[in-house]
Amino acid sequence: EVQLLESGGGLIQPGGSLRLSCAASGFTFSGFAMYWVRQAPGEGLEWVSGINDRGDDAYYADSVKGRFTISRDNSKSTLYLQMNSLRAEDTAVYYCAKRINSVNRAFDIWGQGTMVTVSS
Amino acid sequence: QSALTQPRSVSASPGQSVTISCTGTSSDVGGYKYVSWYQQHPGKAPKLMIYDVNKRPSGVPDRFSGSKSGNTASLTISGLQAEDEADYYCNSYAGTSYVFGTGTRVTVL
Repeated sequence: EVQLLESGGGLIQPGGSLRLSCAASGFTFSGFAMYWVRQAPGEGLEWVSGINDRGDDAYYADSVKGRFTISRDNSKSTLYLQMNSLRAEDTAVYYCAKRINSVNRAFDIWGQGTMVTVSS
Repeated sequence: QSALTQPRSVSASPGQSVTISCTGTSSDVGGYKYVSWYQQHPGKAPKLMIYDVNKRPSGVPDRFSGSKSGNTASLTISGLQAEDEADYYCNSYAGTSYVFGTGTRVTVL
């Protein structure tokens, strides 16, 4: 079964750091670009970051650029999101998602999400 | 990276059809064929319903269809069923990023 499982969320003070992980199974992880998408409580979806299949090209939303770093370890089939200088507005459920294939652009598999709460 | 504009809510009776619009710009919706739609039930992860404007992943009923004209994409749900009640989000590729729509609540009366 194709599956993504996020972990690493929790309560963190403003200005703090947190690293999220997303463990993939059931597919060849190294063959697909991966993404992070977040959803603040009661709000809509927001694309956060993406990384290509080799891990040597990454993109970020303006709202997190310079503070968040996406990375991946294909040997461990795991995606990461290092979040620094966290702000209250970063409070959200963070989902990892898989790109559907190398030709089309969409997120076909999603994890269950991990909650990040930034508060003092 | 402004969010794409969707109506806040739409509603219809079972068996009827609803269409959700998604308006962007020439830098996103109008500039690429990569528009996708996601269904999200409360407390659940989003589910891909349409990709590349009008393609359906396997397992998605053909009641769901997509289209695009200029800077506006649309999702149509025909033969509305109770389980279609959910939030729907459009998404578009925008060069080196992606942008989601504001979301639409579909209510089955």
